[in-house]
Amino acid sequence: AQSVTQPDIHITVSEGASLELRCNYSYGATPYLFWYVQSPGQGLQLLLKYFSGDTLVQGIKGFEAEFKRSQSSFNLRKPSVHWSDAAEYFCAVGSGNTPLVFGKGTRLSVIA
Amino acid sequence: KAGVTQTPRYLIKTRGQQVTLSCSPISGHRSVSWYQQTPGQGLQFLFEYFSETQRNKGNFPGRFSGRQFSNSRSEMNVSTLELGDSALYLCASGIAGEGTDTQYFGPGTRLTVL
Repeated sequence: AQSVTQPDIHITVSEGASLELRCNYSYGATPYLFWYVQSPGQGLQLLLKYFSGDTLVQGIKGFEAEFKRSQSSFNLRKPSVHWSDAAEYFCAVGSGNTPLVFGKGTRLSVIA
Repeated sequence: KAGVTQTPRYLIKTRGQQVTLSCSPISGHRSVSWYQQTPGQGLQFLFEYFSETQRNKGNFPGRFSGRQFSNSRSEMNVSTLELGDSALYLCASGIAGEGTDTQYFGPGTRLTVL
């Protein structure tokens, strides 16, 4: 069965520091991968997605993610974190017309 | 283009009651999916509708049902509410073209069951 693991439940970084959020997936077919962000009390906003092609994908708000098939990973990165990036981040995997499977999320706190 | 809208945003019900939640997808989107989000279980897929037909269904009891109208708007219904149904219910819409849909989420409906 397909699954997504986000190993870090909570990460705290200083404003201006770099960020990497980890995501590992288990999927039998060719995966389509997504990162979403959720602010408190809000819905999910799409940050970026990978379907095929270049394994480094750029998203909104300065985020990027790299697909590594050999490691079954799709880690999210940002070179310099802003206080407004504090939120919960979800990695998801799907394929074709199958429903998305989400990880449990990583909560990001940003300190001054 | 307007985003996915969900109504109501907040709802308080008591055990045993039933509830109906509504979702209006982005204009031109034909698929609508519903998810339940709780602190313990995370995001769990409920069902997906495309062209008024249920295309996929998650592992939820029959108390949870949904439908989609010809204008792609969707409703989900939960009958005989239980305390454990308290959650954020998220609706997502997609174009449903070839390959995997990119899903765009609404703000959610916060359901509290007392």
